Amino acid sequence: ILNVEQSPQSLHVQEGDSTNFTCSFPSSNFYALHWYRWETAKSPEALFVMTLNGDEKKKGRISATLNTKEGYSYLYIKGSQPEDSATYLCAFWDYGQNFVFGPGTRLSVLP
Amino acid sequence: DSGVTQTPKHLITATGQRVTLRCSPRSGDLSVYWYQQSLDQGLQFLIQYYNGEERAKGNILERFSAQQFPDLHSELNLSSLELGDSALYFCASSAGGQTTNEKLFFGSGTQLSVL
Repeated sequence: ILNVEQSPQSLHVQEGDSTNFTCSFPSSNFYALHWYRWETAKSPEALFVMTLNGDEKKKGRISATLNTKEGYSYLYIKGSQPEDSATYLCAFWDYGQNFVFGPGTRLSVLP
Repeated sequence: DSGVTQTPKHLITATGQRVTLRCSPRSGDLSVYWYQQSLDQGLQFLIQYYNGEERAKGNILERFSAQQFPDLHSELNLSSLELGDSALYFCASSAGGQTTNEKLFFGSGTQLSVL
């Protein structure tokens, strides 16, 4: 069973703070890593799909990096805003066509 | 709005019953995925269909089955329901079958309560 871990489990930051969290996944048989944002009472929304070691993606104040050799991805949020409050999920694809979501990091941005 | 439609939004039923959840993918998307979100559990992949054919299977119970119809909508059938089947069931779609590099678009989910 593939194990995808995310840390921290939850995070509280002040508005304007920058923050980052981690997704750890098996480094063998890597195919792709997805990041999703899941706001309360809504459905998950795709942020990034990353496939190459060293990939960096950016969308507004949110960016992500990928290290497939060591099996981790970081998600960064610069200047957090209350509307960034959500659960951030990563999902890992391997060559065996297994697609596993991590448990998520719950971010709360306090005004 | 992701463009993925799930019905019903809420479903309350009793143990031992059978229910059907419905999903209409985004216009033009060929792949449909079903996920289960239980309390204290992450999103659990159940099954994927691509253009009417089963493409990948996750931890789907034998009491559960799914299909994708020629018009590409999909149904998830849950039978002999147990209390532990209470969960939020999501459907997602993507353009083709190469999910690894395609974003998934999620519906709003069906909240199933088994009493």
